[in-house]
Amino acid sequence: DAGVIQSPRHEVTEMGQEVTLRCKPISGHNSLFWYRQTMMRGLELLIYFNNNVPIDDSGMPEDRFSAKMPNASFSTLKIQPSEPRDSAVYFCASIRGQGSGATNEKLFFGSGTQLSVL
Amino acid sequence: AQSVTQLDSHVSVSEGTPVLLRCNYSSSYSPSLFWYVQHPNKGLQLLLKYTSAATLVKGINGFEAEFKKSETSFHLTKPSAHMSDAAEYFCVVSEASGGYNKLIFGAGTRLAVHP
Repeated sequence: DAGVIQSPRHEVTEMGQEVTLRCKPISGHNSLFWYRQTMMRGLELLIYFNNNVPIDDSGMPEDRFSAKMPNASFSTLKIQPSEPRDSAVYFCASIRGQGSGATNEKLFFGSGTQLSVL
Repeated sequence: AQSVTQLDSHVSVSEGTPVLLRCNYSSSYSPSLFWYVQHPNKGLQLLLKYTSAATLVKGINGFEAEFKKSETSFHLTKPSAHMSDAAEYFCVVSEASGGYNKLIFGAGTRLAVHP
């Protein structure tokens, strides 16, 4: 199994530009999470999808952030326009189950996307 | 709401000496607790999980943690540190939220291992 795959590994962009982060969950996992990690705030849950449907987006900071999951094997997190304070490492994680009752809470994390907004 | 407090932001040990990473939790009921490890430039990986089956939980790479309800603690230990244990460790509690189990992460403890 290839694990959770995120791209790109590193993204450097200028303030005001659109940024799109991508994630491919592990095959067969029907729950997907986007997290943001910063020194100041630690690891924060941004959004959670179950069976491609957003279940909890209460962690999305503001309207500049949006996430989609068009199918079971792909998700995107978009920031438009980006700002320097969005600089962080963004992680995608997936799991089998949840939604109708978690049977396994072991999250599988991708390697993250290091985003720098100048 | 559930929460976890990691009492040390940094811990430094010598190779071959014991490791103790401290975590206290706050929960209104019997919690599910986890320890995750993050090696540099990598995603997080589950070390071990407590779900009320046994108070002493053994994980990967020789780590274990003991759930102590009276102390609301879930400290992570290892008898003998290895250089490869240098990483950041996160104590995590599970909170039921909106029909699913949301993981609440502690701030992390960075473990340094010296020769």
